[in-house]
Amino acid sequence: DAGVTQSPTHLIKTRGQQVTLRCSPKSGHDTVSWYQQALGQGPQFIFQYYEEEERQRGNFPDRFSGHQFPNYSSELNVNALLLGDSALYLCASSLISGAGEKLFFGSGTQLSVL
Amino acid sequence: GQQVMQIPQYQHVQEGEDFTTYCNSSTTLSNIQWYKQRPGGHPVFLIQLVKSGEVKKQKRLTFQFGEAKKNSSLHITATQTTDVGTYFCAGDLNQAGTALIFGKGTTLSVSS
Repeated sequence: DAGVTQSPTHLIKTRGQQVTLRCSPKSGHDTVSWYQQALGQGPQFIFQYYEEEERQRGNFPDRFSGHQFPNYSSELNVNALLLGDSALYLCASSLISGAGEKLFFGSGTQLSVL
Repeated sequence: GQQVMQIPQYQHVQEGEDFTTYCNSSTTLSNIQWYKQRPGGHPVFLIQLVKSGEVKKQKRLTFQFGEAKKNSSLHITATQTTDVGTYFCAGDLNQAGTALIFGKGTTLSVSS
């Protein structure tokens, strides 16, 4: 049973470029959340996708966008990259339930913006 | 905005000593979750607390949820080198479990 898989593991971009990160959720999970984790900080919620719709969004600019596909996999797109976007991007999958979904995290994509 | 604060930021202990990290929310939480992130790794779910005053134990780890559902703690008895990592609490503001708000974490180091 595969866990959450993310690709690529590492990425180096320059300011102004665009990037797409990918995530496949744990088998049986229908919800994908994206988090940004800066060095020495806790994960910060970007957005969550369920049934191919953005269900909730954190305090991130419109440069951050996403998509969920019918097979529940998801993409995170960041446009017009800034130096401050350098971080570990974590995808977490879960199963929608009545209360408190447990998140299963992938290993993340380390993005460096130069 | 809603915040989840954790203290201390760092803690170093000798193997065998106890360790406690505290988590406080500015708002009442629906539930709280705890995660552990090993160096270079990703957060791994440890436990979820839902009820006011709830206490749960996992071997040497004891988790508590405050009566007002605004604070929580994780206590490790007799630390081992395998306990090294960063412990995050994550507060959930609503029943549907969306948008967990993570604290900045407490990084535990253990020397033998």
